[in-house]
Amino acid sequence: DQQVKQNSPSLSVQEGRISILNCDYTNSMFDYFLWYKKYPAEGPTFLISISSIKDKNEDGRFTVFLNKSAKHLSLHIVPSQPGDSAVYFCAAYLRRALTFGSGTRLQVQP
Amino acid sequence: ETGVTQSPTHLIKTRGQQVTLRCSSQSGHNTVSWYQQALGQGPQFIFQYYREEENGRGNFPPRFSGLQFPNYSSELNVNALELDDSALYLCASSLAGGLQETQYFGPGTRLLVL
Repeated sequence: DQQVKQNSPSLSVQEGRISILNCDYTNSMFDYFLWYKKYPAEGPTFLISISSIKDKNEDGRFTVFLNKSAKHLSLHIVPSQPGDSAVYFCAAYLRRALTFGSGTRLQVQP
Repeated sequence: ETGVTQSPTHLIKTRGQQVTLRCSSQSGHNTVSWYQQALGQGPQFIFQYYREEENGRGNFPPRFSGLQFPNYSSELNVNALELDDSALYLCASSLAGGLQETQYFGPGTRLLVL
C-alpha cells in the first residue's frame, strides 16, 4: 500500500518555464512534507519542506504548496534551468520515518 | 561543515553472506536513519538510531540490524543476504529535538548480491 504517490514518472519542460511536480498521500497523520532532488550516483539532496499547518513555503525559485483537504502537495520551480534536471522525490514524515514517493524524472530542455 | 559520508561506495556479495555498511553523520547531528532504495523506487525506511538505541523501525526482518556509536556514526548489518537485498543503501542524519526533523542523506552504498 503506497502511502505517498508520484503519479508522473517523468516531466519535460523548456528552460525558463515553470515545472510543476505533484505528489499525493493517503495518511492524514503525516505532519511534515519534504522534497528531495537526486542526481545519478548521489544521495537525495534536501530542497524544501512544509509543515502540515501551512499551505505554502517559498525558497528562491522553489515553492511547495500543500492542500491538506485533497492530501496533495506540489513543487513549483520557476524559472526552470537545465541544472534542475534530476529525479525529484516527495517525502512525508511521521514518527521518525520518511515515506517516499517513487520519484518524478524532470528534464529541462535548453 | 562535514556532510554525511558512507563507506564503501560499492560492494558485491553472494547469497547467504553477511555485510556491514558504515555511515558518519553530519557534524552536529545526533540521529541516524537507514533507507533501502531498490531500482526505480523511492527509499524505504529501515530503522533509526538515537542515543545508541534503535528509535524506530520499518517493515524489515530482524536480519537487518544496526549500531550507533558515541560519536553518532552508525553501522547497518545485514545477515543471510538474499538476492532481493541488492539495492542502494542510504544513510541520513538529523538533529533530534522536535517533532519534525529534516534528514540529510549521504551518497549511499550500492550492494549487489549474486
